[in-house]
Amino acid sequence: AQKVTQAQTEISVVEKEDVTLDCVYETRDTTYYLFWYKQPPSGELVFLIRRNSFDEQNEISGRYSWNFQKSTSSFNFTITASQVVDSAVYFCALKLTGGGNKLTFGTGTQLKVEL
Amino acid sequence: EAGVAQSPRYKIIEKRQSVAFWCNPISGHATLYWYQQILGQGPKLLIQFQNNGVVDDSQLPKDRFSAERLKGVDSTLKIQPAKLEDSAVYLCASSLGGQGAYEQYFGPGTRLTVT
Repeated sequence: AQKVTQAQTEISVVEKEDVTLDCVYETRDTTYYLFWYKQPPSGELVFLIRRNSFDEQNEISGRYSWNFQKSTSSFNFTITASQVVDSAVYFCALKLTGGGNKLTFGTGTQLKVEL
Repeated sequence: EAGVAQSPRYKIIEKRQSVAFWCNPISGHATLYWYQQILGQGPKLLIQFQNNGVVDDSQLPKDRFSAERLKGVDSTLKIQPAKLEDSAVYLCASSLGGQGAYEQYFGPGTRLTVT
């Protein structure tokens, strides 16, 4: 069975600080997809990124960057120069290539960015 | 393009009562999902439809929960009778397909409180 662990329950930073959200996953499958979603106070989950298990290239999108390391089963998410609008709960999720597109989510990390 | 619509946004009921939630997916999306998100946890898949057929309902408590997707578009999720532990946010999501790396788009959710 697959599992996603987000050990950081809550992180507080001051605006403009960099922050990294950790994600560790477990699966016996060799092919899978990893996702990050943002859940602002409004409640709607917003897709941020998808990465397949064959592509370990790091990705940068504006202030967001993702570090995928298959050797340590980690898919960490860094926000550079954080802003108050980044305050939300962030979820890491895993999907196997079979299994009907079912997402297995971690428990989420609450990020609070203060002025 | 309109997103996933859900109603109601909030519902408060007493235990042993019944409740129903409605979801309208993004137009053209064949796959529809219902997730349960208990406070402090990540979303958990309850049921997945491909068009109007069930793909995965392994985590649906079938003694009290039911769901249908008539005509392969809108869906309703029902709880009868509700228990205190059913208090959660119920999220509906849709995707173009049910396999591969299709991105799931989430609605705003229905927050259910059972007293």
